[in-house]
Amino acid sequence: GAVVSQHPSRVICKSGTSVKIECRSLDFQATTMFWYRQFPKQSLMLMATSNEGSKATYEQGVEKDKFLINHASLTLSTLTVTSAHPEDSSFYICSAQPTGIYGYTFGSGTRLTVV
Amino acid sequence: AQSVTQLDSQVPVFEEAPVELRCNYSSSVSVYLFWYVQYPNQGLQLLLKYLSGSTLVKGINGFEAEFNKSQTSFHLRKPSVHISDTAEYFCAVRNQAGTALIFGKGTTLSVSS
Repeated sequence: GAVVSQHPSRVICKSGTSVKIECRSLDFQATTMFWYRQFPKQSLMLMATSNEGSKATYEQGVEKDKFLINHASLTLSTLTVTSAHPEDSSFYICSAQPTGIYGYTFGSGTRLTVV
Repeated sequence: AQSVTQLDSQVPVFEEAPVELRCNYSSSVSVYLFWYVQYPNQGLQLLLKYLSGSTLVKGINGFEAEFNKSQTSFHLRKPSVHISDTAEYFCAVRNQAGTALIFGKGTTLSVSS
């Protein structure tokens, strides 16, 4: 149980275009989901906390207009990278915490390459 | 603010040798601590977690960790590693708001024959 599905696993896009990444909780409801970014050989940096039915909470230094987060249902959160540039190339991972369980389930990640 | 320090960026070991991956945390309040493993181009898999109770926590794949409050440490150990244990290991703490995890920088465990 407690599976988080993230899609797509890999995406290549042209500079200036937008890319949407989906994160779904398959067998539980997630009122809160988390989005992380990971650079090569580095740790996961929290970008934002996504809250169902309300605005996301962004960490300091993360551009909210560039990284749009939508959490319209209890099982789906999306991250849209708008007007992507090569420096946005990274590994993006979502996470959720099933209610009542002190553990976090992670998606399999999305490798974004902007060319 | 809470933080996590993983003291070793890389740990090379031979197969069947014991290994310890070190993790220290800083926090002025009670914490929940976690160890995750990440294989290349994949998400994170939970190895074990400390919430309360016994300070020795056993996880999957033969790993265990010991919570030491006086030393603010949560070191990960395995008595005998396999080639398949080669991966990136992350120590994490739950933050003050009690929501997202804060991660250490990771330790690359390389097991060779």
